[in-house]
Amino acid sequence: GAGVSQTPSNKVTEKGKYVELRCDPISGHTALYWYRQSLGQGPEFLIYFQGTGAADDSGLPNDRFFAVRPEGSVSTLKIQRTERGDSAVYLCASSLASGRSNEQFFGPGTRLTVL
Amino acid sequence: DAKTTQPPSMDCAEGRAANLPCNHSTISGNEYVYWYRQIHSQGPQYIIHGLKNNETNEMASLIITEDRKSSTLILPHATLRDTAVYYCIVRAGSNDYKLSFGAGTTVTVRA
Repeated sequence: GAGVSQTPSNKVTEKGKYVELRCDPISGHTALYWYRQSLGQGPEFLIYFQGTGAADDSGLPNDRFFAVRPEGSVSTLKIQRTERGDSAVYLCASSLASGRSNEQFFGPGTRLTVL
Repeated sequence: DAKTTQPPSMDCAEGRAANLPCNHSTISGNEYVYWYRQIHSQGPQYIIHGLKNNETNEMASLIITEDRKSSTLILPHATLRDTAVYYCIVRAGSNDYKLSFGAGTTVTVRA
């Protein structure tokens, strides 16, 4: 079956531009997560959706970052006025539910480069 | 969240067992130990998890000490495709949807 997919795989943009990163979770997975991974570091939690609602957005670094999941499936991470420090790999994961024992399946990530 | 400590890197010979240690001395009684790995340019991949008993699946074995303050992930017959960064994670009790990745152990399997 299809895993988590993310588009685009690579995105190069200029400082100050707006970008959208898309995540298609595994069909039927109600929980969806975004993480960000800087070079040489482990992924860092950004936001968690249960269904359509953001249950925890405490990891979003500032108000330039926003994520939606309007129909409880596909999610879009939006970054306004991009800065060079936003350059990283943005990872999406999904799971059947959010419990401790539910395995999170990760997508391949979107590599964002802000020039 | 309980913190974990892992060695930054280790080498392993192909075909041999790889034993990856993890310390989690502040783990709480209801917290699980999870292992993920990340092959270059891919997203993290779940390997195994456990609470207090040893666990085994098709990928690996997880040995948790009786006091639960440390654990070891065992890859029984390492192959070149096992070269990756391995993350030991303790799942928080109240916020159990978050995975808190540390720096992990970079495992290099050599022919």
